[in-house]
Amino acid sequence: AQKITQTQPGMFVQEKEAVTLDCTYDTSDPSYGLFWYKQPSSGEMIFLIYQGSYDQQNATEGRYSLNFQKARKSANLVISASQLGDSAMYFCAMRGTTSGTYKYIFGTGTRLKVLA
Amino acid sequence: DVKVTQSSRYLVKRTGEKVFLECVQDMDHENMFWYRQDPGLGLRLIYFSYDVKMKEKGDIPEGYSVSREKKERFSLILESASTNQTSMYLCASSFGLAFRELFFGEGSRLTVL
Repeated sequence: AQKITQTQPGMFVQEKEAVTLDCTYDTSDPSYGLFWYKQPSSGEMIFLIYQGSYDQQNATEGRYSLNFQKARKSANLVISASQLGDSAMYFCAMRGTTSGTYKYIFGTGTRLKVLA
Repeated sequence: DVKVTQSSRYLVKRTGEKVFLECVQDMDHENMFWYRQDPGLGLRLIYFSYDVKMKEKGDIPEGYSVSREKKERFSLILESASTNQTSMYLCASSFGLAFRELFFGEGSRLTVL
């Protein structure tokens, strides 16, 4: 069975500093995709970044980067130069192929608070 | 601007009532999903559909059913609402078989009294 684990229920970071949000996953699928979403207090889910299991390089999108370590089955989100607007809930998600072709499964989330 | 629209942001229903949550997407996406979100539990998949009239159970389908009569519309039905179905319900859609991101609606917060 596929599983996403986010072990940090909450985190604090000082404005302008970098922060890493942890995500580990479990799958037996040979090919899969990993996603990160942000959910501000307003409730909408905002897609941040995607990493494919066969991608050679770590994904980056602006201040977001994904530290993908395939052998360790981890896909940590790194936010550089944190801003107050980064305070939100962050979810790691995965979509597989053979065992869950269309299914996207999510972790329990990490609530990030950026301090001024 | 691409959109997933959920019919109601907030609903209050009584135990035993039949509840319909509607979701419409304008992106011609094949795949549509219903999740519920509860504090500490993240998003849990209730049902999904990869084509018109096709549906698959997710991880927590008990007490729910779905309908997809048209490609753009995916409805979640609570046949007899119970208090443990009080939750935030999120609809999402995605394109085809490729590893593409999910697009989410704004959510429907359901309270069952």
